Amino acid sequence: DAGVTQSPTHLIKTRGQQVTLRCSPISGHKSVSWYQQVLGQGPQFIFQYYEKEERGRGNFPDRFSARQFPNYSSELNVNALLLGDSALYLCASSFWQGSNQPQHFGDGTRLSIL
Amino acid sequence: ILNVEQSPQSLHVQEGDSTNFTCSFPSSNFYALHWYRWETAKSPEALFVMTLNGDEKKKGRISATLNTKEGYSYLYIKGSQPEDSATYLCASLLNQAGTALIFGKGTTLSVSS
Repeated sequence: DAGVTQSPTHLIKTRGQQVTLRCSPISGHKSVSWYQQVLGQGPQFIFQYYEKEERGRGNFPDRFSARQFPNYSSELNVNALLLGDSALYLCASSFWQGSNQPQHFGDGTRLSIL
Repeated sequence: ILNVEQSPQSLHVQEGDSTNFTCSFPSSNFYALHWYRWETAKSPEALFVMTLNGDEKKKGRISATLNTKEGYSYLYIKGSQPEDSATYLCASLLNQAGTALIFGKGTTLSVSS
């Protein structure tokens, strides 16, 4: 079975632009979470979606938004990009939301802001 | 604010050495503690999910223990091999219903042959 897939792998944008990152969870997984990882830090939680509804939001500005589609794939949108948004964006899926569910991560999208 | 701390930040050992890392987390409102291994150019891989005080889990040469009352978890690697070289992340679950993990900064292990 395919793992979590993310696209694109790399992306270069300029300040003020908008970006959309995509994630396809493992087949059968209904929960998708997004994380931002900057160098030297652990992944930081952005959003979690389960059954197409937002179930959690981290401490990120409103420029960050996300959605989950009927097939459980997800998009992360970031508007008005800032230099500080340069990071690796990770998507993770699990079968359902629950404390004993391990997260299955994709390879991430490396976003560079010029 | 939930804060997860890991130590040491980095570690270099020789092949065959045994080693351990520490993860500290707030003991109040504990739900679960996750360990992940993150190799360079790969995605983070789940090692363990631990929920009960006193839990001990093992996967090959890697094992982990959990103390929820004092807020720490240890990860042990017995007989380190070069392929164990990776960053080891621990994460505490923010709430019982969701999957919002709060990660530490990780411990980077380098194993020389």
